[in-house]
Amino acid sequence: AQSVTQLGSHVSVSEGALVLLRCNYSSSVPPYLFWYVQYPNQGLQLLLKYTTGATLVKGINGFEAEFKKSETSFHLTKPSAHMSDAAEYFCAVSDAVMDSNYQLIWGAGTKLIIKP
Amino acid sequence: DTAVSQTPKYLVTQMGNDKSIKCEQNLGHDTMYWYKQDSKKFLKIMFSYNNKELIINETVPNRFSPKSPDKAHLNLHINSLELGDSAVYFCASSQRGNTDTQYFGPGTRLTVL
Repeated sequence: AQSVTQLGSHVSVSEGALVLLRCNYSSSVPPYLFWYVQYPNQGLQLLLKYTTGATLVKGINGFEAEFKKSETSFHLTKPSAHMSDAAEYFCAVSDAVMDSNYQLIWGAGTKLIIKP
Repeated sequence: DTAVSQTPKYLVTQMGNDKSIKCEQNLGHDTMYWYKQDSKKFLKIMFSYNNKELIINETVPNRFSPKSPDKAHLNLHINSLELGDSAVYFCASSQRGNTDTQYFGPGTRLTVL
Protein backbone atom coordinates (compact mmCIF):
# COMPACT_ATOMS: atom_id res chain seq x y z
CA ALA A 1 0.00 0.00 0.00
CA GLN A 2 1.10 3.52 -0.70
CA SER A 3 1.99 5.85 2.14
CA VAL A 4 3.24 9.41 2.56
CA THR A 5 5.36 10.81 5.36
CA GLN A 6 5.82 14.52 5.93
CA LEU A 7 8.68 15.29 8.25
CA GLY A 8 7.79 18.00 10.74
CA SER A 9 4.26 18.95 11.63
CA HIS A 10 5.43 22.57 11.96
CA VAL A 11 8.19 24.39 10.09
CA SER A 12 9.14 27.95 11.00
CA VAL A 13 11.25 30.19 8.75
CA SER A 14 12.03 33.88 8.63
CA GLU A 15 10.60 36.04 5.87
CA GLY A 16 13.03 35.95 2.95
CA ALA A 17 14.59 32.64 3.99
CA LEU A 18 14.54 29.35 2.12
CA VAL A 19 11.48 27.17 2.60
CA LEU A 20 12.01 23.39 2.62
CA LEU A 21 9.11 21.04 3.35
CA ARG A 22 9.94 17.34 3.29
CA CYS A 23 7.87 14.54 1.82
CA ASN A 24 8.77 10.87 1.46
CA TYR A 25 6.54 8.27 -0.07
CA SER A 26 6.35 4.54 -0.50
CA SER A 27 4.98 3.17 -3.72
CA SER A 28 5.22 -0.13 -5.53
CA VAL A 29 4.61 1.50 -8.90
CA PRO A 30 5.85 4.74 -10.51
CA PRO A 31 4.25 7.37 -8.34
CA TYR A 32 2.21 10.39 -9.23
CA LEU A 33 2.93 13.00 -6.58
CA PHE A 34 1.16 16.16 -5.51
CA TRP A 35 1.58 19.13 -3.20
CA TYR A 36 -1.53 20.98 -2.06
CA VAL A 37 -1.77 24.13 0.05
CA GLN A 38 -4.52 25.07 2.47
CA TYR A 39 -4.74 28.70 3.56
CA PRO A 40 -6.56 29.43 6.83
CA ASN A 41 -10.28 28.69 6.66
CA GLN A 42 -10.13 27.63 3.03
CA GLY A 43 -10.19 24.45 0.99
CA LEU A 44 -7.09 22.84 -0.48
CA GLN A 45 -5.66 23.92 -3.82
CA LEU A 46 -3.03 22.35 -6.01
CA LEU A 47 0.48 23.81 -5.80
CA LEU A 48 2.15 21.41 -8.23
CA LYS A 49 2.26 17.80 -9.33
CA TYR A 50 4.67 15.29 -10.80
CA THR A 51 3.40 12.77 -13.32
CA THR A 52 6.17 11.91 -15.80
CA GLY A 53 9.08 13.64 -17.48
CA ALA A 54 11.15 16.38 -15.87
CA THR A 55 11.81 15.61 -12.23
CA LEU A 56 11.94 19.27 -11.19
CA VAL A 57 8.41 20.57 -11.16
CA LYS A 58 7.48 24.23 -10.89
CA GLY A 59 4.24 25.32 -9.31
CA ILE A 60 2.35 28.43 -8.36
CA ASN A 61 3.62 31.19 -6.08
CA GLY A 62 7.29 30.40 -6.73
CA PHE A 63 7.24 26.89 -5.28
CA GLU A 64 8.97 23.93 -6.85
CA ALA A 65 9.55 20.28 -5.97
CA GLU A 66 11.98 17.67 -7.14
CA PHE A 67 11.12 14.01 -7.59
CA LYS A 68 14.03 11.82 -6.48
CA LYS A 69 13.27 8.19 -7.13
CA SER A 70 16.39 6.88 -5.40
CA GLU A 71 15.44 8.72 -2.21
CA THR A 72 11.66 8.22 -2.61
CA SER A 73 11.29 11.91 -1.91
CA PHE A 74 9.35 14.86 -3.27
CA HIS A 75 10.47 17.83 -1.19
CA LEU A 76 8.89 21.24 -1.68
CA THR A 77 11.06 24.36 -1.80
CA LYS A 78 10.81 28.10 -2.28
CA PRO A 79 13.92 30.30 -2.38
CA SER A 80 12.47 33.20 -0.40
CA ALA A 81 9.54 32.96 2.01
CA HIS A 82 6.81 35.55 2.05
CA MET A 83 4.34 36.22 4.83
CA SER A 84 1.53 35.13 2.51
CA ASP A 85 3.05 31.62 2.34
CA ALA A 86 1.88 30.88 5.87
CA ALA A 87 -0.44 27.90 5.43
CA GLU A 88 -0.79 24.13 5.81
CA TYR A 89 0.93 22.09 3.11
CA PHE A 90 -0.03 18.55 2.17
CA CYS A 91 1.90 16.01 0.13
CA ALA A 92 -0.06 13.22 -1.58
CA VAL A 93 0.51 10.20 -3.81
CA SER A 94 -1.99 8.71 -6.24
CA ASP A 95 -3.12 5.16 -5.46
CA ALA A 96 -5.18 2.83 -7.65
CA VAL A 97 -8.50 1.76 -6.13
CA MET A 98 -10.40 -0.35 -8.66
CA ASP A 99 -11.60 -0.26 -12.25
CA SER A 100 -9.18 2.52 -13.21
CA ASN A 101 -10.24 4.65 -10.27
CA TYR A 102 -7.75 6.38 -8.05
CA GLN A 103 -7.57 8.08 -4.72
CA LEU A 104 -4.99 10.31 -3.11
CA ILE A 105 -3.06 9.06 -0.11
CA TRP A 106 -2.33 12.10 2.02
CA GLY A 107 0.47 13.05 4.32
CA ALA A 108 -0.36 14.48 7.74
CA GLY A 109 0.40 18.02 6.66
CA THR A 110 3.05 20.57 7.61
CA LYS A 111 2.16 23.95 8.98
CA LEU A 112 4.48 26.62 7.58
CA ILE A 113 5.01 29.56 9.92
CA ILE A 114 6.68 32.71 8.63
CA LYS A 115 8.47 34.93 11.14
CA PRO A 116 8.70 38.65 10.32
CA ASP B 1 -18.11 31.26 -10.90
CA THR B 2 -17.45 28.95 -7.96
CA ALA B 3 -16.02 25.64 -9.17
CA VAL B 4 -16.93 23.49 -6.15
CA SER B 5 -19.46 24.88 -3.72
CA GLN B 6 -20.73 23.57 -0.41
CA THR B 7 -23.63 24.59 1.77
CA PRO B 8 -23.78 25.42 4.56
CA LYS B 9 -20.38 26.85 5.45
CA TYR B 10 -21.06 26.50 9.17
CA LEU B 11 -23.34 24.04 10.90
CA VAL B 12 -23.92 24.03 14.64
CA THR B 13 -26.28 21.42 15.99
CA GLN B 14 -27.15 19.27 18.97
CA MET B 15 -26.16 15.65 19.51
CA GLY B 16 -28.66 13.22 18.10
CA ASN B 17 -29.86 15.49 15.29
CA ASP B 18 -29.79 14.64 11.58
CA LYS B 19 -28.15 17.06 9.16
CA SER B 20 -27.15 17.30 5.49
CA ILE B 21 -24.35 19.03 3.65
CA LYS B 22 -24.72 19.75 -0.05
CA CYS B 23 -22.00 19.88 -2.68
CA GLU B 24 -22.11 20.97 -6.30
CA GLN B 25 -19.40 21.24 -8.93
CA ASN B 26 -19.63 23.04 -12.26
CA LEU B 27 -16.36 21.73 -13.71
CA GLY B 28 -17.89 18.87 -15.66
CA HIS B 29 -15.94 16.33 -13.60
CA ASP B 30 -17.09 12.73 -13.30
CA THR B 31 -15.71 11.97 -9.84
CA MET B 32 -16.59 13.53 -6.50
CA TYR B 33 -15.30 12.98 -2.97
CA TRP B 34 -16.08 13.68 0.66
CA TYR B 35 -13.24 14.24 3.11
CA LYS B 36 -13.21 14.79 6.86
CA GLN B 37 -10.51 17.04 8.35
CA ASP B 38 -10.05 16.82 12.09
CA SER B 39 -8.76 19.46 14.49
CA LYS B 40 -5.15 18.38 13.78
CA LYS B 41 -5.72 19.02 10.06
CA PHE B 42 -5.51 15.31 9.22
CA LEU B 43 -7.42 14.55 6.00
CA LYS B 44 -9.44 11.35 5.74
CA ILE B 45 -11.23 10.21 2.60
CA MET B 46 -14.77 9.13 3.39
CA PHE B 47 -16.45 8.45 0.06
CA SER B 48 -15.86 8.75 -3.66
CA TYR B 49 -18.38 8.57 -6.47
CA ASN B 50 -17.65 8.15 -10.16
CA ASN B 51 -20.56 8.84 -12.51
CA LYS B 52 -22.96 8.47 -9.57
CA GLU B 53 -21.48 5.08 -8.65
CA LEU B 54 -19.91 4.58 -5.22
CA ILE B 55 -16.20 3.80 -5.67
CA ILE B 56 -14.63 4.40 -2.28
CA ASN B 57 -16.41 3.75 0.99
CA GLU B 58 -13.87 3.94 3.77
CA THR B 59 -14.49 2.78 7.30
CA VAL B 60 -17.11 5.34 8.13
CA PRO B 61 -20.06 4.79 10.50
CA ASN B 62 -23.21 3.94 8.57
CA ARG B 63 -24.78 7.05 10.11
CA PHE B 64 -23.06 8.80 7.19
CA SER B 65 -24.84 8.32 3.89
CA PRO B 66 -23.73 9.97 0.65
CA LYS B 67 -26.17 10.57 -2.15
CA SER B 68 -25.31 11.50 -5.72
CA PRO B 69 -28.41 12.54 -7.68
CA ASP B 70 -26.29 13.38 -10.71
CA LYS B 71 -22.63 13.80 -11.68
CA ALA B 72 -22.55 17.41 -10.51
CA HIS B 73 -23.86 16.82 -7.00
CA LEU B 74 -22.76 14.76 -4.02
CA ASN B 75 -24.60 15.34 -0.77
CA LEU B 76 -23.73 13.99 2.66
CA HIS B 77 -26.42 13.10 5.16
CA ILE B 78 -25.49 12.39 8.77
CA ASN B 79 -27.89 10.71 11.20
CA SER B 80 -27.78 10.79 14.98
CA LEU B 81 -24.89 13.24 15.20
CA GLU B 82 -22.23 12.60 17.83
CA LEU B 83 -19.65 14.88 19.45
CA GLY B 84 -16.88 13.11 17.52
CA ASP B 85 -18.45 14.13 14.22
CA SER B 86 -17.32 17.71 14.84
CA ALA B 87 -14.85 18.50 12.06
CA VAL B 88 -14.50 20.31 8.75
CA TYR B 89 -15.98 18.38 5.84
CA PHE B 90 -14.64 19.00 2.35
CA CYS B 91 -16.15 18.08 -0.95
CA ALA B 92 -13.84 17.72 -3.95
CA SER B 93 -14.11 16.76 -7.60
CA SER B 94 -11.82 15.57 -10.39
CA GLN B 95 -11.80 13.78 -13.68
CA ARG B 96 -11.17 10.09 -13.14
CA GLY B 97 -7.49 9.44 -13.58
CA ASN B 98 -4.39 9.00 -11.50
CA THR B 99 -2.83 12.32 -12.49
CA ASP B 100 -5.90 14.47 -12.21
CA THR B 101 -6.07 17.42 -9.88
CA GLN B 102 -8.74 17.39 -7.20
CA TYR B 103 -10.60 20.65 -6.77
CA PHE B 104 -11.84 21.35 -3.26
CA GLY B 105 -14.82 23.20 -1.95
CA PRO B 106 -14.44 25.77 0.85
CA GLY B 107 -15.45 23.29 3.55
CA THR B 108 -18.30 22.97 6.02
CA ARG B 109 -17.39 23.38 9.68
CA LEU B 110 -19.66 21.09 11.68
CA THR B 111 -19.90 21.61 15.43
CA VAL B 112 -21.90 19.13 17.48
CA LEU B 113 -22.85 20.33 20.96
